[in-house]
Amino acid sequence: GIQVEQSPPDLILQEGANSTLRCNFSDSVNNLQWFHQNPWGQLINLFYIPSGTKQNGRLSATTVATERYSLLYISSSQTTDSGVYFCAVEGYGGATNKLIFGTGTLLAVQP
Amino acid sequence: DTEVTQTPKHLVMGMTNKKSLKCEQHMGHRAMYWYKQKAKKPPELMFVYSYEKLSINESVPSRFSPECPNSSLLNLHLHALQPEDSALYLCASSQDPGLAVGEQYFGPGTRLTVT
Repeated sequence: GIQVEQSPPDLILQEGANSTLRCNFSDSVNNLQWFHQNPWGQLINLFYIPSGTKQNGRLSATTVATERYSLLYISSSQTTDSGVYFCAVEGYGGATNKLIFGTGTLLAVQP
Repeated sequence: DTEVTQTPKHLVMGMTNKKSLKCEQHMGHRAMYWYKQKAKKPPELMFVYSYEKLSINESVPSRFSPECPNSSLLNLHLHALQPEDSALYLCASSQDPGLAVGEQYFGPGTRLTVT
């Protein structure tokens, strides 16, 4: 099955810093989503981005499907950005109805 | 409205108890999902329902029994669980299972402790 790797596994930032999180996947994908899991466990949708670039406020994401990676950019980080960031993909080639999650990046933003 | 609701938020149960988790969405989505998440791990898919029919069971033990009474509701019935089943249980939905997953939306989860 498709493999999803995220880097870095852990990241500590000072408030106001910028960061880039990476998601590599081993095969073509129909679907790629970025989520933020807050300390209470809620998975919050950040981007649905199987290809291209999107921006939402301080966050932006780029997926280069032909090279099998996606990047999540966080600018001017805030303490509320802390939590785990997951990318999740669905393999191409059928209605598999399955999202495969990466192992996540644990982000801690310090005041 | 992109809300998926789950009840209860927390549940403590003994190994001989029977309990149920409930999930509801009113987005008109026709695919619904149960995931299990252990601490410091990503969510793992348990079940998928498409148009109220079970389409994927990821070899989940029979002590977990899913049910989809209608297109808006998804239940997970629990019986004779083990302490290692303690986890965060997440429900999700997406629009049209016939077009691959599409964008998936998650509920806040039920944190289950089995004693």
